[in-house]
Amino acid sequence: GQQVMQIPQYQHVQEGEDFTTYCNSSTTLSNIQWYKQRPGGHPVFLIQLVKSGEVKKQKRLTFQFGEAKKNSSLHITATQTTDVGTYFCAVFNQAGTALIFGKGTTLSVSS
Amino acid sequence: KAGVTQTPRYLIKTRGQQVTLSCSPISGHRSVSWYQQTPGQGLQFLFEYFSETQRNKGNFPGRFSGRQFSNSRSEMNVSTLELGDSALYLCASSLAGARGYTFGSGTRLTVV
Repeated sequence: GQQVMQIPQYQHVQEGEDFTTYCNSSTTLSNIQWYKQRPGGHPVFLIQLVKSGEVKKQKRLTFQFGEAKKNSSLHITATQTTDVGTYFCAVFNQAGTALIFGKGTTLSVSS
Repeated sequence: KAGVTQTPRYLIKTRGQQVTLSCSPISGHRSVSWYQQTPGQGLQFLFEYFSETQRNKGNFPGRFSGRQFSNSRSEMNVSTLELGDSALYLCASSLAGARGYTFGSGTRLTVV
């Protein structure tokens, strides 16, 4: 079935440093979604990428979809303590009936 | 608009018992998916329902089952509980197709 590998598993940064998490697939993806889960919370949808080479920005967050549609990244510029949490990428199976999540990257930020 | 509502929030059960969890999706959302989240395995897909039909099931034993009602509310049932079933069970709803999911706050199940 559909699978995505996410790296790194954990990342600790000092406040103000940048952070990037990567999501890779062995197969071509139709689209990819990103979610954030705060400690003790539930996943919250951030964005969906559909087009090859697509780049979308949400304030300090930049999302990219690879040209071959097999990888994606989430980059946070100048992290803040509010960015703490686990970031997941997720992809649908071919039929669009199951959204499969990567293992996630847990970000911790020290001030 | 109201979000996805899951009840109960916390549950403690004994091995061998069964449990039923409930999920009320956002009004108008016809697709409901269930996930099991544990520290070791992450977010694992259980099943997806659309218009009362189970369209997909994850790699879980038959002890895990679910259903969806005509008003799109969904329930999942776990029979013969095992210690390893202790987890956060999350429900998510969406309009349909490849769209962003809205998750509920989850039900924290502890099996003792």
